[in-house]
Amino acid sequence: QVQLVESGGGVVQPGRSLRLSCAASGFTFSNYAMHWVRQAPGEGLEWVAFIWYDGSNEYYADSVKGRFTISRDNSKNTLYLQMNSLRVEDTAVYYCARGFGVPPYYFDYWGQGTLVTVSS
Amino acid sequence: EIVLTQSPATLSLSPGERATLSCRASQSVSSYLAWYQQKPGQAPRLLIYDASNRATGIPARFSGSGSGTDFTLTISSLEPEDFAVYYCQQRSNWPLFGPGTKVNIK
Repeated sequence: QVQLVESGGGVVQPGRSLRLSCAASGFTFSNYAMHWVRQAPGEGLEWVAFIWYDGSNEYYADSVKGRFTISRDNSKNTLYLQMNSLRVEDTAVYYCARGFGVPPYYFDYWGQGTLVTVSS
Repeated sequence: EIVLTQSPATLSLSPGERATLSCRASQSVSSYLAWYQQKPGQAPRLLIYDASNRATGIPARFSGSGSGTDFTLTISSLEPEDFAVYYCQQRSNWPLFGPGTKVNIK
């Protein structure tokens, strides 16, 4: 069965960096586009970033453009999110999600999420 | 930039009742709209995509309709496990979610 397991969250000071990972299993990872979606405490869902199945294209929400980098290692079935220059408003649960549809901008499987808290 | 509005913000119903949730886009998104269910402490789950197609494993009591700017998610008869927050999401350009509708037990 499809499984996505995020890791790497934690408490970090403003301005610092953090890297999230998402380990995928149960499907051919290299055939699917992937996304990061976040949810601030008590708030709704916000799409963060997208990467094509082969890593050839990446796209970002305006709120993270220039600070976050999405990447993937298809040999390790792992998705990453490098987060630099973190801000208090980046505090959220970060989900990785598999892309679905043509183009793959829906999300058909989600991980359980990892909490990132940006606080001094 | 497209904006999604969901109404009502909260819906209080009893098990067995029919739930009708609305999602309105500020400009046409064609049929490129999905619905997700999220329960407390859980990740969202895809229910409906392309406005009216049920995702794999989703019960038939969930149905979606609409096109252009006005969309509806209908739950024909609420089961206890259906009380949750429901989000719509458009993919006409980049993914964008609505603010959600919370379905409460009355």
